[in-house]
Amino acid sequence: DAGITQSPRHKVTETGTPVTLRCHQTENHRYMYWYRQDPGHGLRLIHYSYGVKDTDKGEVSDGYSVSRSKTEDFLLTLESATSSQTSVYFCAISQKNLNTEAFFGQGTRLTVV
Amino acid sequence: GESVGLHLPTLSVQEGDNSIINCAYSNSASDYFIWYKQESGKGPQFIIDIRSNMDKRQGQRVTVLLNKTVKHLSLQIAATQPGDSAVYFCAENPPGANNLFFGTGTRLTVIP
Repeated sequence: DAGITQSPRHKVTETGTPVTLRCHQTENHRYMYWYRQDPGHGLRLIHYSYGVKDTDKGEVSDGYSVSRSKTEDFLLTLESATSSQTSVYFCAISQKNLNTEAFFGQGTRLTVV
Repeated sequence: GESVGLHLPTLSVQEGDNSIINCAYSNSASDYFIWYKQESGKGPQFIIDIRSNMDKRQGQRVTVLLNKTVKHLSLQIAATQPGDSAVYFCAENPPGANNLFFGTGTRLTVIP
């Protein structure tokens, strides 16, 4: 998986609790992304980063925040988890932002009960 | 967001036959397209890409065709094998967009 590690791989949490998902890469790629995958929707971008401390919103950013304090780590935080955030979350990395493939991690299955 | 869709949600083929997976995209200005394969419990894996200045690109057992006139993309898999069973996604990168837009996927099942 191109040197991408997501943690945890599975998590069950209660509504209203904060949750942080971690993505770690060893490829030194500049761009990092967080997607969620839901039936009938495919993959949708939550947030992305184009460098250390540089992030921007994607299609479905409400209820999520991100941080990137160093090149290799990109954190996704759900400040107060809701049942609608039950999903599979994928981190991806790429060398360039446009017109290039992105490499994906194994995913984190998050269940909010 | 962009609309990237697939004609068929499922496709079953006999082992050894050729597979064709189709994808329609909505932005005629999109200039880059990718096909991903996703096996159960794994993240999407890059298969092949194509830029809008091309109509066809071939890889190992796979060919991507781009028809810009009708905004259609297809993935052809030759001599389909059981290991090809997976969900296949097309994705496009519209000009000025900061990310890829994905279709909902087609599940390919290879019958031994």
